[in-house]
Amino acid sequence: DTEVTQTPKHLVMGMTNKKSLKCEQHMGHRAMYWYKQKAKKPPELMFVYSYEKLSINESVPSRFSPECPNSSLLNLHLHALQPEDSALYLCASSQDPSLLRVEQYFGPGTRLTVT
Amino acid sequence: AQTVTQSQPEMSVQEAETVTLSCTYDTSESDYYLFWYKQPPSRQMILVIRQEAYKQQNATENRFSVNFQKAAKSFSLKISDSQLGDAAMYFCAYSYYTGANSKLTFGKGITLSVRP
Repeated sequence: DTEVTQTPKHLVMGMTNKKSLKCEQHMGHRAMYWYKQKAKKPPELMFVYSYEKLSINESVPSRFSPECPNSSLLNLHLHALQPEDSALYLCASSQDPSLLRVEQYFGPGTRLTVT
Repeated sequence: AQTVTQSQPEMSVQEAETVTLSCTYDTSESDYYLFWYKQPPSRQMILVIRQEAYKQQNATENRFSVNFQKAAKSFSLKISDSQLGDAAMYFCAYSYYTGANSKLTFGKGITLSVRP
C-alpha cells in the first residue's frame, strides 16, 4: 500500500480565516513533506519532517505553520493567507530520510483558493 | 547546486508510437537517485520509474524505460506503445542526501499529449 491521503480535497478561505490541511500515511514512513504547486509548475518544497521533527523549512512565511502530531499524521495550519497563496498543496512521504533510496509518494493534494 | 533541466515544455505522440522525454541534470555528488514522476490532469503525482546512480543498467517498468548516461548527466524517459492514459505532465527529479535528509529537485516538467 503506497497511499498518502489528504483532506480536504478543496478549500476556499478568506484572508482572515484559520484553516488546517491534513495528511496521513500508514506505510511506516519516517519522513513527511509539504509542497506547494502552482498550475503547470513543479512542486516547491515547503517543509520536511524527519522522525516527527521539523528538519527543513524552506523560508516559508509564518502564516503557514506545520505540525506533526505523530509518525502517521502531518498538518499544515493556515492563517491570514494572501490570494497568491492559492495553489495545490501536496503532501508526500518517504521511507527513511537518511537513505538515498527514498522515492517520495504523493497524496492527491488540497486545492486551496484564498479570496 | 543541483539543477534539473527539461528543455522541452510540450511534446505530442501518436497512440501506439514511442516517445522519448529528455532530462539533464547537474551535480557534483557521486551517489544520488533519479526519478520520473507523472502528473495526469487529475493532479495526483505518480512515481513512474527510478534509477540509482551507481547502477549502470537502465531501469525499466513495463512500457517505460530510461536511458541513463551518467557521464553526460542525462536521464531520458522512453514510453513505448503510447496510450491515451499516458497524457500527463512528466517531471524529472533528482534526489540527494543533505546530511540529515534527502530532497527532491524537480525539473520544470513536460506536458505530453497523446493523439488517438
